[in-house]
Amino acid sequence: SYVLTQPPSVSVAPGKTASITCGGNNIGSKSVHWYQQKPGQAPVLVIYYDSDRPSGIPERFSGSKSGNTATLTISRVEAGDEADYYCQVWDNISDHFYVFGTGTKVTVL
Amino acid sequence: EVQLVESGGGLVQPGGSLRLSCAASGFTFSSYWMHWVRQAPGKGLVWVSRINSDGSRTIYADSVKGRFTISRDNAKNTLYLQMNSLRAEDTALYYCAKSGSGSWFFDYWGQGTLASVSS
Repeated sequence: SYVLTQPPSVSVAPGKTASITCGGNNIGSKSVHWYQQKPGQAPVLVIYYDSDRPSGIPERFSGSKSGNTATLTISRVEAGDEADYYCQVWDNISDHFYVFGTGTKVTVL
Repeated sequence: EVQLVESGGGLVQPGGSLRLSCAASGFTFSSYWMHWVRQAPGKGLVWVSRINSDGSRTIYADSVKGRFTISRDNAKNTLYLQMNSLRAEDTALYYCAKSGSGSWFFDYWGQGTLASVSS
């Protein structure tokens, strides 16, 4: 089955930039979507189709892709950005079709 | 405002059944594919099932195929998940999620309903 690998944790100081990577075989050929999940809350879409931002999501959140890695970048990090972040793709060969990454806990120092 | 409200979770013994519901509002329910996604306690997100807009086509994760059935009632703006032959590993918070444009991601999520399978 298709696997998306994320670092378990990322720590960042307020005002700095956090980069969360998502690696997968041939991910360059797939559209990548990102979700933020704060403790005790439902996930929220923050980036779709690699780099598009839903209305209401701050411009500080951006997405990119290069080679076999997609990246979610959070600029000027705020305390409220502390959350788990998941990448996701569609893979019609996988036993789960809609595949989520392993998740990254972002801690604001 | 899009709202998705799940219900129907609870404690059930292994081998038992539960029927989850998701009441949708704030959008034209009958126009969108819908999904169930689950999250075991302290674990990551796992997609479970998808249904197309008129309910004629469904797909499932291998882990639930043959045991779970997704359905919808567009007249009632409600999504369902019938879960049979439940196992301890099915214990999770079950989220209802709306498909985004193109149907390859999830643009709105409910708050989830907890299904616990234990003797």
